[in-house]
Amino acid sequence: DTAVSQTPKYLVTQMGNDKSIKCEQNLGHDTMYWYKQDSKKFLKIMFSYNNKELIINETVPNRFSPKSPDKAHLNLHINSLELGDSAVYFCASSQRLAGVQTGELFFGEGSRLTVL
Amino acid sequence: QKEVEQDPGPLSVPEGAIVSLNCTYSNSAFQYFMWYRQYSRKGPELLMYTYSSGNKEDGRFTAQVDKSSKYISLFIRDSQPSDSATYLCAMSKGGSEKLVFGKGMKLTVNP
Repeated sequence: DTAVSQTPKYLVTQMGNDKSIKCEQNLGHDTMYWYKQDSKKFLKIMFSYNNKELIINETVPNRFSPKSPDKAHLNLHINSLELGDSAVYFCASSQRLAGVQTGELFFGEGSRLTVL
Repeated sequence: QKEVEQDPGPLSVPEGAIVSLNCTYSNSAFQYFMWYRQYSRKGPELLMYTYSSGNKEDGRFTAQVDKSSKYISLFIRDSQPSDSATYLCAMSKGGSEKLVFGKGMKLTVNP
């Protein structure tokens, strides 16, 4: 069973379109994340949810909107796609220990977005 | 100055070599230090995890943290072609703070 699964794995779309990426984790973790990895492999956090509550919201354009319907799911919707949005988007999850985020993240396989 | 600096390489070594990967950081509040390994077209996976200063060994892998120098290292002994991947250092202050990643070093181990 895949621990953190995200769909779709590949998206190719035109500028200006809207797209969504879905993520599910079956690890029972309380925290989920979206990371963006650019062409140079730099991994940068975008959002983090703990028990469905947004706890980290980095400087990300308003066109990106996360949504966590429950603690096992975290989706990412992107409006009005731009060329610079082309990247691999990773979902991840973790479990806090005594309220502390220790950093042991479990990542999905990534969703590769190409904006033409 | 970026919070976490990592030489992106690439680094190419022959099979059996000892590999040393390093990161420096500027924020003395970091307490949790990790190394993630990322194979091509896959998500990163946690390889080594250290809290505060010291060494940690797991098979052929050794992680070192020197908080006084703000420097962390990952050593790979008897490197194998299967170790070919991108290695990312990461660190966190704990609490609800985010994990900050280095840029990643691409390693190729040649048979």
